[in-house]
Amino acid sequence: AQKITQTQPGMFVQEKEAVTLDCTYDTSDQSYGLFWYKQPSSGEMIFLIYQGSYDEQNATEGRYSLNFQKARKSANLVISASQLGDSAMYFCAMRGRYSSASKIIFGSGTRLSIRP
Amino acid sequence: GAGVSQSPRYKVAKRGQDVALRCDPISGHVSLFWYQQALGQGPEFLTYFQNEAQLDKSGLPSDRFFAERPEGSVSTLKIQRTQQEDSAVYLCASNPSPGTGSTEAFFGQGTRLTVV
Repeated sequence: AQKITQTQPGMFVQEKEAVTLDCTYDTSDQSYGLFWYKQPSSGEMIFLIYQGSYDEQNATEGRYSLNFQKARKSANLVISASQLGDSAMYFCAMRGRYSSASKIIFGSGTRLSIRP
Repeated sequence: GAGVSQSPRYKVAKRGQDVALRCDPISGHVSLFWYQQALGQGPEFLTYFQNEAQLDKSGLPSDRFFAERPEGSVSTLKIQRTQQEDSAVYLCASNPSPGTGSTEAFFGQGTRLTVV
């Protein structure tokens, strides 16, 4: 069985500071993909970043980077220079194998609030 | 349209009423997923289609839930005899055909169902 654990229900961060959102996962699959999604109050799920289990380098997308530690089964999201618009729910997610056909499972989320 | 479209955005149903939720995926996307998101929680997988074939319905919570995608594009999630515990946001997501290299799922804005 696959499981995603996000242990931070909520976080407050000062604008322009960096923030790390924690994510650990459990899977018996050898190949898998890890995702982070942002969900603002409007409700849509916005894809942020992807890391494949065999990718040797940590993924980066603009201000987002994924700190992938395979042995520890962790995939933390780092947001540099936070902005007010970053306030939202953030979900860590996993797909079981390299295929767009398998389901994505999600963690319970972290609510990030940016203070001006 | 450019994205995944869901309708209605909001639905209030009386307990025992049947409801139908519609999803228009991104044109050409083969894979389609339905998720249920309770308030303050992460999305929970319901079912998956590849074209018109329903390949995974392991997440449907009861036989009151039924999904179809008869022509491999638009999908409908039907809930019969709604109960209060069905109140949630129902999210639809689509993926391009497997093998294109795209890995993330593109989500619609969801339908918020409230059963009273």
